[in-house]
Formats: sequence, C-alpha cells, structure tokens
Amino acid sequence: GENVEQHPSTLSVQEGDSAVIKCTYSDSASNYFPWYKQELGKRPQLIIDIRSNVGEKKDQRIAVTLNKTAKHFSLHITETQPEDSAVYFCAASVGSNYQLIWGAGTKLIIKP
Amino acid sequence: DAMVIQNPRYQVTQFGKPVTLSCSQTLNHNVMYWYQQKSSQAPKLLFHYYDKDFNNEADTPDNFQSRRPNTSFCFLDIRSPGLGDAAMYLCATSSTDYYEQYFGPGTRLTVT
Repeated sequence: GENVEQHPSTLSVQEGDSAVIKCTYSDSASNYFPWYKQELGKRPQLIIDIRSNVGEKKDQRIAVTLNKTAKHFSLHITETQPEDSAVYFCAASVGSNYQLIWGAGTKLIIKP
Repeated sequence: DAMVIQNPRYQVTQFGKPVTLSCSQTLNHNVMYWYQQKSSQAPKLLFHYYDKDFNNEADTPDNFQSRRPNTSFCFLDIRSPGLGDAAMYLCATSSTDYYEQYFGPGTRLTVT
C-alpha cells in the first residue's frame, strides 16, 4: 500500500540553529503535503502545507520544499526557539483524494 | 470561532464496558474523521465519513463503530473496550475543496 517515510525520528538542535525534517512518499499521484506540529498532550495543528504545483513555500521561519520527481518533501525551521520543541508529522494525500497518509513523526528537541 | 469540539476530554471506563465519544463541528465540513493516537505515534485513522457515506479502514477492529446523525455531529462507540484501546481519540474535519484537517482537542480514554 501507499506509505510515507519520515526521518529522523528524533532531532536535537541547538537553539538558534536550523532543523530539517524529510519525508518520502510512494504515491506519485499525491498532490497535497501538510506538516503538523503536535505539542505534548495537545492536538495536531497545521503549520504549513504545499501542493504539487508548487516547489517551495515559506511562512516566516518555516519553509517546505517539494521534489515531485524524487517524491520527497522537507520541512525547514530556521532560527529555532524553545517553543519549536514538539513532534512534527508530515503527511501526503492519497492520490488526489482528501485522505492523508501520515509519516511516523519526528520529535524535535531544542537545546538551550 | 469555528471549531471542532470533543466531549468528554477525559474518559475512564472499565474493561468491557461500552463507551461513546462525541465530536461536533461548526466548520460545516463534509468530511469527519476518527483517529486513534498512542504515545506520540502518528494518528491512526479508524474511519471517516464523507457526508453520510461511512468509510471504514481495513484494519479497524469491529469493536469500533461510528455514527454521524447530521453534518455537525459524529460519535465513536467502543463496544467492549480492552486495555489496548487506551489512547487519545482525535476527531478531525476537512472539506473536499481544501484538504486541511482541523483537529479537536481529543478525548483521552483510560481503560481500567
């Protein structure tokens, strides 16, 4: 079946440094790629998303890049802050359908 | 504010005692989802409704049932909870025009 692989499972970076989380998807028809942030005990919240007709999208310190040929997309967080500590999930649409396949998650730890 | 509401936020039930979790939304989204999430793992889709059409995931146990009496409400019934069903249950909604999923705060289920 279709799947999304996410790496690394844990990422520890110094405050102020950049963090990059990568995902690979298998369904070449996927056209929607969201990233969710989940703080401990809270709901997942969308932080950024990208569609297949766009290669890159940026929102302040957060950016997502998409390489359709290689079928991978990445989350970039610059100038990391303590409040960036959370679990981040990538996901990909099931083809052009509204359903999502989720990556396994990356625990991001920001060291002071 | 438009939102997704889940009740109760915390539910304790006894082994084998049926329990019902509820979800409501004011977003007027036509798709509603139920996810199970354990220990910072990725949310696992149990089933979803597209309008009144029910879609069950292949690996969702028969112990889990759902009802959607109208656009705004959706219920998750666990007929005979086992210890392995202890988890966070997340309700989410989306439209089919734009795929972003909006999550409720979740119900943490404890089985004693």
